[in-house]
Amino acid sequence: EVQLVESGGGLVQPGGSLKLSCAASGFTFSSYSMNWVRQAPGKGLEWISYIDTSGTTIYYADSVKARFTISRDNAKNSLYLQMNSLRAEDTAVYYCARDSVVVDAFDIWGQGTMVSVSS
Amino acid sequence: AIQLTQSPSSLSASVGDRVTIACRASQGISSSLAWYQQKPGKAPKLLIYDASSLESGVPSRFSGSGSGTDFTLTISSLQPEDFATYYCQQFIGLTFGPGTKVDIK
Repeated sequence: EVQLVESGGGLVQPGGSLKLSCAASGFTFSSYSMNWVRQAPGKGLEWISYIDTSGTTIYYADSVKARFTISRDNAKNSLYLQMNSLRAEDTAVYYCARDSVVVDAFDIWGQGTMVSVSS
Repeated sequence: AIQLTQSPSSLSASVGDRVTIACRASQGISSSLAWYQQKPGKAPKLLIYDASSLESGVPSRFSGSGSGTDFTLTISSLQPEDFATYYCQQFIGLTFGPGTKVDIK
């Protein structure tokens, strides 16, 4: 079964750090670009970061640039998001999403992990 | 940056109704648009890619159309399981529209 499973969420104080992981299974992880998307409570979806298959090409939304770092380990079938200098407005469910190889779409999503930033 | 708007932001409909949701891009994006369905507490699910192509396994009552700046998602006959929030996403800059919530009239 094709699956993405996020982990690493939790409660962190403002200014703190957290690292999210996304474990992929059921497909050749190294062949797919990946993304992180977040959703604040009661709000819409916000794309925040993209990484290509080799980790060479990386993009960030302005809202997280210089604070968040996306990375991947193809040997471990895993995607990561290092989040530093966290703010209250970073509180959200964080999803990892697979970029379809052949079409413009995010075709597989994880179940999400909740990050709460509060003192 | 390319912005997406959706209309309406919410709508109430009955089972069997035909529902149309619009998505407009601030500049032309050709057919680089996808539609997703999200139910409360769940991850988004891909419905339509390349503006009008139906994802495998998605019921044929869902259809997409448009190109350039104006796009439409249509549900031909609304079913109970279709009550959800729908998002469009453009693939020039990967941003999402603000969503359209479809609930029961």
